[in-house]
Amino acid sequence: NAGVTQTPKFQVLKTGQSMTLQCAQDMNHNSMYWYRQDPGMGLRLIYYSASEGTTDKGEVPNGYNVSRLNKREFSLRLESAAPSQTSVYFCASSAFGQGSTNEQFFGPGTRLTVL
Amino acid sequence: SQQGEEDPQALSIQEGENATMNCSYKTSINNLQWYRQNSGRGLVHLILIRSNEREKHSGRLRVTLDTSKKSSSLLITASRAADTASYFCATETAGGFKTIFGAGTRLFVKA
Repeated sequence: NAGVTQTPKFQVLKTGQSMTLQCAQDMNHNSMYWYRQDPGMGLRLIYYSASEGTTDKGEVPNGYNVSRLNKREFSLRLESAAPSQTSVYFCASSAFGQGSTNEQFFGPGTRLTVL
Repeated sequence: SQQGEEDPQALSIQEGENATMNCSYKTSINNLQWYRQNSGRGLVHLILIRSNEREKHSGRLRVTLDTSKKSSSLLITASRAADTASYFCATETAGGFKTIFGAGTRLFVKA
């Protein structure tokens, strides 16, 4: 089992460019999450999906959109990248809502730089 | 805003010593979790303690929770160089989906 996978691992964008970060999990989890991590800070929740077909805003959703394509995949899109979106992005999944606590499994992260 | 705040921000110890990290939070919680993050990697879940529990053990890890003080501590006994990492507390409130992470404690264990 691969767990949670993310692509790409690294990306450099120019201000105003768009891109989509991909995430997939093979643990049959209902819940999936997108976080960003900035230096010296913990993770901040951007969006989450409690189940296939639903998405909700987290703490810092502005400038982002998400799509829960199916149970396995949850993508994060930056429509018009800004330097403030330079960060490391983590995808996570959990079995929360399936009789489990919200113990989350994380992908390896995508390091995004916006020039 | 961050729910959990760890203390200290950084900790440097010798191999074999114990490491203690503390976490304080602001609102009522369902449970509190601790995660480890090695440099350049994703977070890995270590242990979860529920709001009605006071202490929990897992191998060399001991977690305590004091809901009256809204605080938790993580003790790593007999530390090893491989324990060098950042450690984050994460709180789960009612509703559960919006787990909130603290800023983390960076632990460095010298061989």
